[in-house]
Amino acid sequence: GAVVSQHPSWVICKSGTSVKIECRSLDFQATTMFWYRQFPKQSLMLMATSNEGSKATYEQGVEKDKFLINHASLTLSTLTVTSAHPEDSSFYICSARLAQSTDTQYFGPGTRLTVL
Amino acid sequence: QKEVEQDPGPLSVPEGAIVSLNCTYSNSAFQYFMWYRQYSRKGPELLMYTYSSGNKEDGRFTAQVDKSSKYISLFIRDSQPSDSATYLCAMSGGTTDSWGKLQFGAGTQVVVTP
Repeated sequence: GAVVSQHPSWVICKSGTSVKIECRSLDFQATTMFWYRQFPKQSLMLMATSNEGSKATYEQGVEKDKFLINHASLTLSTLTVTSAHPEDSSFYICSARLAQSTDTQYFGPGTRLTVL
Repeated sequence: QKEVEQDPGPLSVPEGAIVSLNCTYSNSAFQYFMWYRQYSRKGPELLMYTYSSGNKEDGRFTAQVDKSSKYISLFIRDSQPSDSATYLCAMSGGTTDSWGKLQFGAGTQVVVTP
């Protein structure tokens, strides 16, 4: 159990376009999902906390107008990178917290974004 | 100073040896401690989850938490080449105010050689 999926697994786009990444909890409900980005050989950097039915909470330094997060249901959160630029190229990973758990998070397989 | 310190390695061990990993932290409020394994270009996979101090064993994996020393460890017995990965420690305060935010270590790259 506790499977989290992400789609797409990789995407290449042109500079200036927008890209949407989906994160789904397949076999459990997640009131809270988290979005991270990870640069090569570095640890995960939390971008934002996504709460079902309310606005996301962004970490300091993360532009909320650039990284749009929507958590419309207990099993789906989306991250949209708007007007992507090459510096947005990274590995984006989501995680979901079990609704009845405390801090156990289960991670998706990640999405590799390359902006040309 | 980072809240969670972890040696990035790489840590190279021969097959069958015990892998010993550890993290130190500075925030005494942390109560939940986790170890994740991450293969290259994949998402982290939860290995061990421990609440407060103590030991926990699961198969070849043993996690230890010493809150008095602010020190956590992960031991992997009878290591296999398939254990080669980056191991991340993570911890949180467990309060609703923190929304379960995890603080990660930098990750230790482990290489198990046949």
